[in-house]
Amino acid sequence: DIQMTQSPSSLSASVGDTVIITCRASQGISNSLAWYQQKPGKAPNLLLYAASRLESGVPSRFSGSGSGTDYTLTISSLQPEDFATYYCQQYYTSPLTFGPGTKVSVK
Amino acid sequence: EVQLVESGGGLVQPGRSLRLSCAVSGFNFDEYGMQWVRQAPGKGLEWVSGISWDGGRIAYADSVRGRFTISRDNAKKSLYLYMNSLRGEDTAFYYCAKEFVMRAYQFEVIDIWGQGTMVTVSS
Repeated sequence: DIQMTQSPSSLSASVGDTVIITCRASQGISNSLAWYQQKPGKAPNLLLYAASRLESGVPSRFSGSGSGTDYTLTISSLQPEDFATYYCQQYYTSPLTFGPGTKVSVK
Repeated sequence: EVQLVESGGGLVQPGRSLRLSCAVSGFNFDEYGMQWVRQAPGKGLEWVSGISWDGGRIAYADSVRGRFTISRDNAKKSLYLYMNSLRGEDTAFYYCAKEFVMRAYQFEVIDIWGQGTMVTVSS
């Protein structure tokens, strides 16, 4: 199975900050990587897929990059509604696997 | 509007069985793969199982393989998860989820999630 790791596990930031979250797969996943945002008590919400493609309706301050085993999610100019937990997921091969999550909280 | 509505959760004793259902509307169910993802209280997301649009491809997480069975009824626009030999570690919110890509030949990214149904395994 492909193992996914994320760093940091949590971070504190202020509105307007740029936040970068990294995700690493235990083997190459050919950009078959998605990022999800989850707020407390809610289902996750798709932000990006194919490592860098923005889901319809997602603000352009969210962006993704990477290749091979290493990927990043960047949130530019953090907004109040962005405080949440972020998960990466590989869908290159089954079983699909999620990273452990990164909680973005208010500094 | 696309909707996924899970049902069937509840309190169940260890070793017993439970069937989750997911009723869908708002899209052509028989053209999309579907997945189950769970989340234990206060924990991260765990992929449980997936089934292709035509039911021809099925996969499970190691933690549930041999105990859980996924199935779908395209005529009823419903997804199911049969859970046997339940354990305390199966306690979680179970989400039904729709894949992004139509008629995909591999498991794909999830674009729509249900609101989840809670399963508690305890004596």
